[in-house]
Formats: sequence, C-alpha cells, structure tokens
Amino acid sequence: DAGVIQSPRHEVTEMGQEVTLRCKPISGHNSLFWYRQTMMRGLELLIYFNNNVPIDDSGMPEDRFSAKMPNASFSTLKIQPSEPRDSAVYFCASSLQLNQPQHFGDGTRLSIL
Amino acid sequence: AQSVTQLDSHVSVSEGTPVLLRCNYSSSYSPSLFWYVQHPNKGLQLLLKYTSAATLVKGINGFEAEFKKSETSFHLTKPSAHMSDAAEYFCVVSAGNFNKFYFGSGTKLNVKP
Repeated sequence: DAGVIQSPRHEVTEMGQEVTLRCKPISGHNSLFWYRQTMMRGLELLIYFNNNVPIDDSGMPEDRFSAKMPNASFSTLKIQPSEPRDSAVYFCASSLQLNQPQHFGDGTRLSIL
Repeated sequence: AQSVTQLDSHVSVSEGTPVLLRCNYSSSYSPSLFWYVQHPNKGLQLLLKYTSAATLVKGINGFEAEFKKSETSFHLTKPSAHMSDAAEYFCVVSAGNFNKFYFGSGTKLNVKP
C-alpha cells in the first residue's frame, strides 16, 4: 500500500528563496496535517485540513508560511521568503478522519543557508 | 487541556532485556492514547493505540502498553529488546472530538549488544 508521499526528501536553498513542499496523502484519507520537527522544539503541528478545508492554522509560525489543499490527493506547504531558522524536517501526515491515527510520510529535510 | 509527559529523554538497555518507556498524560476528556516510533530519517510509525477498549493494548513488534486511569499513565513495554528497536518513541494524546494530537517530547531508546 502506498503511504503518505512527500517531496522533495531533501531541499537546500539560500535564504530569501521560495520553498514549496509537497504531500500526497493516503487515498481515502480525509484529514491532512503538516508538522515541523527540530531538535529545539520537537514536533510542532503547523496546520491541518479536513475534507480539503483548513481547520486550524494557529501553529503556522508567521505570514511567510502558507499551505493549500486544492484537492483530496495533494497539499503544499510554502515558505516565502525562507530564512535559516526555517531549517527543519517537515512532515505530512494523513488520517481517515480527524480522530483516527495519523500516518506519516518520511519527511522533507529543509536546509536554508 | 491535554498534555503528555515522557519521563525519560533517553533510555539505554541491553539486547534481550526488558524495555520500559514511561508516559503520563493529562486530559480533560476521555483520552485516546498512542505510541509512535521514529527511526532515523524516517517518519513516525504507529506502534499501538488505546481508544477506551481493553486497557492492555498490544502493538506491533512485540510492544504493549497499559492504560492506567488512576495513575494517568500509558507506559510502553517490551519483554526483550532487539537491536532494531533502537529509535525514538513518542507518546501522544488526543481527546474529546479530537482536533489535535499532543505529542510528548520523545524518548530515545538505545539498545546495547
């Protein structure tokens, strides 16, 4: 079974550039989550969607971050402009419904120079 | 309010000896509780979940956890550690109608030969 697919797996770019992270949830899952993981702060929930609608974006650090889910099989997390402090591993997860266990992708390791 | 405390940031055991990873939770509602495992450069994988059925929950790879309401605990155990169990483990609580998962800070398990 295909799990949650994230791309790219690694991204290295210079500060000020736009970064777009992509996620394909498991087919049939109605809920999608974006997380950020760092050594200092651990796992942080950035935003989550239910039936393609953003439900809670209170974890998004600032206006430089935005996320979209144009359809049930695709979501993006965009950072513009990027800063070195955005360096982290970004995970996407999906679940059948909001109260069901989440299935994680392997993450995107982002380095902003 | 919901929160999770993982009592040990690092645990080291010898191969073949028992594993105990401790987790205490706080929840205003009847909680759902989960344990996830994260291997290096991988996403989180669900080990087991408790959702108000049997208090002793069996998961994958020989792990199990017991929900103790009186102690607000959900400790993860395994009778005999394998080298492949070396990873980071996260205790997670969600509650009410769920809207969010609350992650513990993680416990890194080291298994010595």
